[in-house]
Amino acid sequence: GAGVSQSPRYKVAKRGQDVALRCDPISGHVSLFWYQQALGQGPEFLTYFQNEAQLDKSGLPSDRFFAERPEGSVSTLKIQRTQQEDSAVYLCASSSTGGREEKLFFGSGTQLSVL
Amino acid sequence: QQQVKQSPQSLIVQKGGISIINCAYENTAFDYFPWYQQFPGKGPALLIAIRPDVSEKKEGRFTISFNKSAKQFSLHIMDSQPGDSATYFCAATNTNAGKSTFGDGTTLTVKP
Repeated sequence: GAGVSQSPRYKVAKRGQDVALRCDPISGHVSLFWYQQALGQGPEFLTYFQNEAQLDKSGLPSDRFFAERPEGSVSTLKIQRTQQEDSAVYLCASSSTGGREEKLFFGSGTQLSVL
Repeated sequence: QQQVKQSPQSLIVQKGGISIINCAYENTAFDYFPWYQQFPGKGPALLIAIRPDVSEKKEGRFTISFNKSAKQFSLHIMDSQPGDSATYFCAATNTNAGKSTFGDGTTLTVKP
């Protein structure tokens, strides 16, 4: 595709449910990032992949959050036992440069609402 | 601990005016400073970026001014247009670590 694609666009979950958010980066992009954006705030870093290797997961808020990119392209962010404080927009971004975060291309995000 | 502080939170400018948004950072390991524009329901889109070895970068109506000693940088939008109305985020990146730290954003409204 022409840009970064994220699905679903919206997700409503009951507290305690597990959710999986998908990101299709721009074809050929080496680096993939997940960010969390709370309402009225800037994106906050969650995790970073270079190809299939997860190089940094320091931003994941708890062990309920898990991300993978098994074949170095599509990535999935999984949140187990969702809590109300997990409600946010989850943004995926990709970059063609490995190891240097330049020219990030963001998707439109998945808006997660936990009831 | 907020590593990138952005101001103002909101800004209203008349069409044709200059919009100025400021950011300050703390971590001297940051070596790349992008600005993003975000419209409602969309992800941030890179607008312009600068590295600390230059003090100014201009692309069309958009200019970044960078003061390394003060650890501050700003975005200037010349001849502001209603279509520029959006939320603007500054960011600071440590490219060796591979992640960006964003400011809290500035909501710009350009009145016709």
